[in-house]
Amino acid sequence: SQQGEEDPQALSIQEGENATMNCSYKTSINNLQWYRQNSGRGLVHLILIRSNEREKHSGRLRVTLDTSKKSSSLLITASRAADTASYFCATDRLGGGADGLTFGKGTHLIIQP
Amino acid sequence: EPEVTQTPSHQVTQMGQEVILRCVPISNHLYFYWYRQILGQKVEFLVSFYNNEISEKSEIFDDQFSVERPDGSNFTLKIRSTKLEDSAMYFCASRGTARGNTIYFGEGSWLTVV
Repeated sequence: SQQGEEDPQALSIQEGENATMNCSYKTSINNLQWYRQNSGRGLVHLILIRSNEREKHSGRLRVTLDTSKKSSSLLITASRAADTASYFCATDRLGGGADGLTFGKGTHLIIQP
Repeated sequence: EPEVTQTPSHQVTQMGQEVILRCVPISNHLYFYWYRQILGQKVEFLVSFYNNEISEKSEIFDDQFSVERPDGSNFTLKIRSTKLEDSAMYFCASRGTARGNTIYFGEGSWLTVV
């Protein structure tokens, strides 16, 4: 698999339920960032977790990072219809200098009202 | 909150024409990027720019592409002779002074080559 692979590719849940998306990567990283993209729109930064952090919270978002397994998860609690979007993880390669991020293919999340 | 702005939001161009996509990164940022996303596919890195020169570029960023920071605020992507396969959303992004910080993206420029 490629750097920053999310699963599942698509997820459909009922409003109010929790949504969990996973991301795996291959190389050593400096940090990992999660972004949201509404259809046809730009990338909105959600949360950044550094390689020395294991868990981070922001509102209804909870991100975990396991560098030994090279994986991360994004949990959205108490989902709302407005959370419907594609979610991407993006890795910031260790020692990458001015490198940009490497994105996964994304998870398309649909919240059913 | 400061943001990255891009123009145009959408451009339709004939194959073989030159296109310039414009970006205004966040004002105190030093690292600038262009990415593209073909419809339904993942976001792909094109090029990074730091200290007035290209830092890294991907295989996609061939001789048809160039970037420029003509003044203290704008950052442009030029496609010299567009092809049909250049049709995509192009995102500009910028990062602050410290490597490893958040990269902020603009809303994107939809390019349609016909």
